Amino acid sequence: QSALTQPASVSGSPGQSITISCTGTSSDIGAYNFVSWYQQHPGKAPRLIIYDVTNRPSGISNRFSGSKSGNTASLTISGLQAEDEADYYCSSYAGSSAPYVFGTGTKVTVL
Amino acid sequence: EVQLLASGEDLVQPGGSLRLSCAASGFTFSSYAMSWVRQAPGKGLEWVAAIGGIGGSFYYTDSVKGRFTISRDNSKNTLYLQMNALRAEDTAQYYCARDRGVVAMHGFDYWGQGALVIVSS
Repeated sequence: QSALTQPASVSGSPGQSITISCTGTSSDIGAYNFVSWYQQHPGKAPRLIIYDVTNRPSGISNRFSGSKSGNTASLTISGLQAEDEADYYCSSYAGSSAPYVFGTGTKVTVL
Repeated sequence: EVQLLASGEDLVQPGGSLRLSCAASGFTFSSYAMSWVRQAPGKGLEWVAAIGGIGGSFYYTDSVKGRFTISRDNSKNTLYLQMNALRAEDTAQYYCARDRGVVAMHGFDYWGQGALVIVSS
């Protein structure tokens, strides 16, 4: 049950695109197409922005997109906006004994 | 509108017990798996426990096995987390979260506002 690995911080200027990586193992990300991404603003509950690797819930901007290759998942935010400044967490299904593992979290700063 | 309202937050001494509740509304409660996810002050998210929609499947992270018990009352649309033998490292905001399906697998589409548990003497 080790946490998935994310960069501690990523930054970009308004309008730019940034990508956050999420590295797991062949027992979690590599084994299942059940990767989710969450956005969390300070003092708020997390919000689902990507599920099942590439899918966006209703109401989530198409500026957010997800992908996966092998044991690594990625979240790309295009057309970066000030409101995107937040913490981002990945999560993956990790099997029936302990279903979920979260990433270490990435702080996104809009310069 | 889907709503999850957590309650039971408190300051507890090490070794003590506490029960958190999460009242659900706006959806068919029994059709969804539910989880508790915690966040220690200034730290990241940690999945704690999950329960299937019907309630027959239970899952725990290693650090709480044998101390925490997740349960649900589908007649009351309420999720519970009974926490025993609490330790300082259990101090965190505890969120209840709805899974996207009846089985704990597809991520969490709705979250409660959180209940703060502080374990300290």
